[in-house]
Amino acid sequence: LAKTTQPISMDSYEGQEVNITCSHNNIATNDYITWYQQFPSQGPRFIIQGYKTKVTNEVASLFIPADRKSSTLSLPRVSLSDTAVYYCLVGDVGNAGNMLTFGGGTRLMVKP
Amino acid sequence: GAVVSQHPSRVICKSGTSVKIECRSLDFQATTMFWYRQFPKKSLMLMATSNEGSKATYEQGVEKDKFLINHASLTLSTLTVTSAHPEDSSFYICSALGPGGNEQFFGPGTRLTVL
Repeated sequence: LAKTTQPISMDSYEGQEVNITCSHNNIATNDYITWYQQFPSQGPRFIIQGYKTKVTNEVASLFIPADRKSSTLSLPRVSLSDTAVYYCLVGDVGNAGNMLTFGGGTRLMVKP
Repeated sequence: GAVVSQHPSRVICKSGTSVKIECRSLDFQATTMFWYRQFPKKSLMLMATSNEGSKATYEQGVEKDKFLINHASLTLSTLTVTSAHPEDSSFYICSALGPGGNEQFFGPGTRLTVL
């Protein structure tokens, strides 16, 4: 089970690009990397998922180096509404039980 | 997209009573659902894995007789907190494994307050 390490908190300003890095040194071959966003008193919301290289969707990009021991969530031009906690999960798609250990998350504060 | 609902969203009960929380996958079938609890400013902690038609699998330290889980259909899992006490007050969140088998869809959570 891959353990993840993220910065506890980050500050940014509106309009800036924010990059949050997650370390997962013991990631296994079958593990995928998934990022979630959580607002207070709400369930986590899926942001993006990837296995290697780069993945991009309408809200974020996910960069994964060749060794896959880390990943970086990139949020372009953040707004105040992006203030939330961001979690990265690493696990085996064929074994759901391995995708269920949440790390501490990164608390992002976007300032005006 | 895949939507998961929870009911109720908030519940307040007296100590010693039991509370049932429902988790439903609205537009897809979920053979596997998960139950988490989350304390203020803390991360989510997995309590148990709920499998349709079979017994739930509980994480270490979670009392199965206190947190009863029933996954009777492909769209519904329930968590019953029996004989609730103030220390059971928490935010309970469920998720369902999506059709692709590699993504969790989370419910909005249930805030339980035990007086």
